[in-house]
Amino acid sequence: DVKVTQSSRYLVKRTGEKVFLECVQDMDHENMFWYRQDPGLGLRLIYFSYDVKMKEKGDIPEGYSVSREKKERFSLILESASTNQTSMYLCASRLLAGGIYNEQFFGPGTRLTVL
Amino acid sequence: AQKITQTQPGMFVQEKEAVTLDCTYDTSDQSYGLFWYKQPSSGEMIFLIYQGSYDEQNATEGRYSLNFQKARKSANLVISASQLGDSAMYFCAMRASGWQAGTALIFGKGTTLSVSS
Repeated sequence: DVKVTQSSRYLVKRTGEKVFLECVQDMDHENMFWYRQDPGLGLRLIYFSYDVKMKEKGDIPEGYSVSREKKERFSLILESASTNQTSMYLCASRLLAGGIYNEQFFGPGTRLTVL
Repeated sequence: AQKITQTQPGMFVQEKEAVTLDCTYDTSDQSYGLFWYKQPSSGEMIFLIYQGSYDEQNATEGRYSLNFQKARKSANLVISASQLGDSAMYFCAMRASGWQAGTALIFGKGTTLSVSS
């Protein structure tokens, strides 16, 4: 079974702090994604990576950066956390082979609160 | 632009009844995939069912079926014989075939399903 893990389920940070959210997958997937989920807005794509050291901006990249130095790990960085970044953050991974048909596997999510 | 629309913020159903969750999509691509995910209150996203744009048969997975009407651009999820454990938020999502867009899923805003006994 594919397993996607995220470093924390719950996180509380202060405004202005630098925040790291870590995501690890164990199935050698090329693609990895970071979404944020807010009530009434669904899931919105922040960044994705189609392979090691590759990254692409999603729909809402402002205020975020990412790092993918190893295939299994995809980190989301909030350079200077703000209260409007309080949200649920979901990481996902996907096998590239098979084209558009493979589903994404999600981690359990990190609920981040910025005070 | 590609878009997924779920017009039902909440749905209520009694145990053992069937329920349909609506999803419409917009894309100019000919090749695309449609997905449904379930998100219980615990937060994890669980993949339920997939339909490819070229699939002629409607997808089915156990109690889940996808009512795919390509001309109407709709991909409704049908849950038969609802159970209390089906209470969750349900998301419709799409992946189209463009290279950059083709790897990430585009999600609707979700529908909260409540099943009562």
